[in-house]
Amino acid sequence: GESVGLHLPTLSVQEGDNSIINCAYSNSASDYFIWYKQESGKGPQFIIDIRSNMDKRQGQRVTVLLNKTVKHLSLQIAATQPGDSAVYFCAGTPTGNQFYFGTGTSLTVIP
Amino acid sequence: GAGVSQSPRYKVAKRGQDVALRCDPISGHVSLFWYQQALGQGPEFLTYFQNEAQLDKSGLPSDRFFAERPEGSVSTLKIQRTQQEDSAVYLCASSPTDGDQPQHFGDGTRLSIL
Repeated sequence: GESVGLHLPTLSVQEGDNSIINCAYSNSASDYFIWYKQESGKGPQFIIDIRSNMDKRQGQRVTVLLNKTVKHLSLQIAATQPGDSAVYFCAGTPTGNQFYFGTGTSLTVIP
Repeated sequence: GAGVSQSPRYKVAKRGQDVALRCDPISGHVSLFWYQQALGQGPEFLTYFQNEAQLDKSGLPSDRFFAERPEGSVSTLKIQRTQQEDSAVYLCASSPTDGDQPQHFGDGTRLSIL
C-alpha cells in the first residue's frame, strides 16, 4: 500500500510571502504525484503534477520538488494571495490509477 | 457543463436505508473513480472504472458498497443498509484516458446517516 503524509496540518502566511507545503510518501514504487487544492464544499482541484523521472516542475506561481531519495515532495507557492487559502493535498500512485492522498495542510493567508 | 457533476449534493438517510449516488463524468472520459472523504481527511480510493469495466474495487469497505457504470459514462455508487460510519463526502473523478494523469473531481455528495 501507500502512506502519504504531510508534515504540518496548518500553515499561516502573510499575503505576498512564499508558502512551502511538504509531503512524505512511503511507497518507493510511487512514480506519479499530484498536488490538489480543495476549498470548502468543493472537490479537489488539480494544481500541478510531477513524474518520478523529474525532480522539479514549475507552473504559474507554483513549483513542485520531488526528492526520491528521501521520498519527499514539496509545493512552493510564490507571492501567496488570499485566494490561495485552502487545504492542499499531495497524492501519489504506483499504478497510475489508484491514488493515495495525504491528510492535507490547511493554508491560511493573512491579508 | 464542462466538469464532473454529482448528485445529489446532500443526502440524509436513516440507518439501514439504501442510498444511490450519481456521477456524470466529463464527456468522453474513459476512466472514472470514486473516493470517500471523511471530515478532516484526504480522499480515500474506493473503486475505478475503465469505460464500463470495473478494474479495481479494492477500496470498497464492505459488500454493502456497490458501484456500476453500465454504459461507460454515468456511474452510480450504491450503499445498502447504511450505517453511521458511512457518513462522509463521496467524490467522483474522471480522466481522459488510463494511467498517470490528473483526475478531474466533482464537488461530491455529502452523505449523513442518522
